[in-house]
Amino acid sequence: DAGVTQSPTHLIKTRGQQVTLRCSPKSGHDTVSWYQQALGQGPQFIFQYYEEEERQRGNFPDRFSGHQFPNYSSELNVNALLLGDSALYLCASSLRTRGRPQYFGPGTRLLVL
Amino acid sequence: AQTVTQSQPEMSVQEAETVTLSCTYDTSENNYYLFWYKQPPSRQMILVIRQEAYKQQNATENRFSVNFQKAAKSFSLKISDSQLGDTAMYFCAFKHADSNYQLIWGAGTKLIIKP
Repeated sequence: DAGVTQSPTHLIKTRGQQVTLRCSPKSGHDTVSWYQQALGQGPQFIFQYYEEEERQRGNFPDRFSGHQFPNYSSELNVNALLLGDSALYLCASSLRTRGRPQYFGPGTRLLVL
Repeated sequence: AQTVTQSQPEMSVQEAETVTLSCTYDTSENNYYLFWYKQPPSRQMILVIRQEAYKQQNATENRFSVNFQKAAKSFSLKISDSQLGDTAMYFCAFKHADSNYQLIWGAGTKLIIKP
């Protein structure tokens, strides 16, 4: 049973560029959440997708957008990259059922120069 | 708003010792879930243990157990017979029982197991 997978593992971009990160949830999961984790800090919630719709959103600007596909996989898009967007981006999947834990992928390390 | 506090930025113990990581939270809700996640240097966030607030019995998973004190809003993690592979950042997280709510995270505790 494959766990949560993310691609790419590492990415280097320059300011102003756009980036797309991808996530495939654990088999059987229907909900995908995205987090940004700066070095030495806890994860910060970006948004959550369920049934191909954004259900919740954290305190992130509209430059951060996402999508969920019918197979439950998801993409995170960041436009007009800033230096401060450099971070580890984590994807987590879960079942929508209340209280089910989230399982995380290995993350994508984004460096903006 | 819910908040999660981990007051120990860093801890270190000798291999085979027992260590307890503290976590407190603030909420006015009665139904919720609490989690401990581990993030080793490999950076993969791994679920360690989960506690349902309506259950009085403390959760256990092999060498990992929690001390859940609902009235005190405390949720500490005890690691028994610590191993070198336990070296990691440990995050405490809170989630409202309603599926529409997100995880609220503590700042983490860096745990170092010394040989």
